Amino acid sequence: DAGITQSPRYKITETGRQVTLMCHQTWSHSYMFWYRQDLGHGLRLIYYSAAADITDKGEVPDGYVVSRSKTENFPLTLESATRSQTSVYFCASGDYYPYEQYFGPGTRLTVT
Amino acid sequence: EDQVTQSPEALRLQEGESSSLNCSYTVSGLRGLFWYRQDPGKGPEFLFTLYSAGEEKEKERLKATLTKKESFLHITAPKPEDSATYLCAAREGSQGNLIFGKGTKLSVKP
Repeated sequence: DAGITQSPRYKITETGRQVTLMCHQTWSHSYMFWYRQDLGHGLRLIYYSAAADITDKGEVPDGYVVSRSKTENFPLTLESATRSQTSVYFCASGDYYPYEQYFGPGTRLTVT
Repeated sequence: EDQVTQSPEALRLQEGESSSLNCSYTVSGLRGLFWYRQDPGKGPEFLFTLYSAGEEKEKERLKATLTKKESFLHITAPKPEDSATYLCAAREGSQGNLIFGKGTKLSVKP
């Protein structure tokens, strides 16, 4: 089925560990995005990518790394997880115009 | 600083009681105003995009409108299944990324 998927859906990890969140879309959208959603802050952009091998920082990029070797995949890595990175992470995809973004189901990450 | 503010934070309605949600924005060179619906434990679901003042879009019991400083999501005769958090986002002119508001949590009681 066409769509956008994220894995894992739930993850518990310890402070200092490396964690990778996966995102896969089947729409062939050029743009992909990573957001985090926290109470009191709403959705905040972490990183985005306009095409394969092109990535750029969003509002809250510190502590995160992204790559995009294939158009359909956009993994997000927390190189050394901290408790402040406990959050719900959403991946989204879309095209430059009309820029509507379509979201995945989210990954709930807890850092202990 | 570009920002998007939604009000109220929470809204409780009786089934059939129409109301409106507000989204005010201060964004340089607005390139689109987006509305999303989010159910608990799920990702936001796209509803509408508005591009210019005066534009309106409708979907079932929802109608979105846009002025130069704010957008409204009008809900006519809501049903319990309309209960969700409604998010609005403005696309700013320079980098073109979406700036989201914190949402309005709508509860519709039967």
